[in-house]
Amino acid sequence: KAGVTQTPRYLIKTRGQQVTLSCSPISGHRSVSWYQQTPGQGLQFLFEYFSETQRNKGNFPGRFSGRQFSNSRSEMNVSTLELGDSALYLCASSLAGNANTEAFFGQGTRLTVV
Amino acid sequence: KQEVTQIPAALSVPEGENLVLNCSFTDSAIYNLQWFRQDPGKGLTSLLLIQSSQREQTSGRLNASLDKSSGRSTLYIAASQPGDSATYLCAVKVQGAQKLVFGQGTRLTINP
Repeated sequence: KAGVTQTPRYLIKTRGQQVTLSCSPISGHRSVSWYQQTPGQGLQFLFEYFSETQRNKGNFPGRFSGRQFSNSRSEMNVSTLELGDSALYLCASSLAGNANTEAFFGQGTRLTVV
Repeated sequence: KQEVTQIPAALSVPEGENLVLNCSFTDSAIYNLQWFRQDPGKGLTSLLLIQSSQREQTSGRLNASLDKSSGRSTLYIAASQPGDSATYLCAVKVQGAQKLVFGQGTRLTINP
């Protein structure tokens, strides 16, 4: 059974550009969450989607957005990139998104903003 | 606001030792607690999931306990090996929100 797949693995962008990251969850999983990991702040929650609906959002500016498609694949977009957006972006999937399900993470996308 | 703390931040031990990693959280209103392992530059690998109604879970050489009332969890690693070297993260699933709140992690080094 394939795990969570994130593409691309690495990205280098210039300040002011925008970027789209993709996440394919484990087959049958309908909940997808996104996290940002930086050395200073650790892992911080961005947003969570279930059945194409955003159910929860973290404390990030509106430049960070996401969506989920009918096949449960998810994308996140960051517009007007800033140097501080450089981070490892991790996607997690879980079976039904209810309270007690286990979260499985992908390998992440390493974004570098120059 | 839920806060998760992991102590120590770093730990270095010789191969073969048994060791304990600690995790504490401020709000006992959680659905579950999950322990992860992260190798440098990689994603997170789930090690153990403990539901809020459970006291412990075991997988191979790993044993995790949960005391929800005191806001504490421990991860016990038996007979440590160099391949266990990684950063270990604990995370709680917050009631009323579909999100995990993470600790800062413990960087573990097992010396051959």
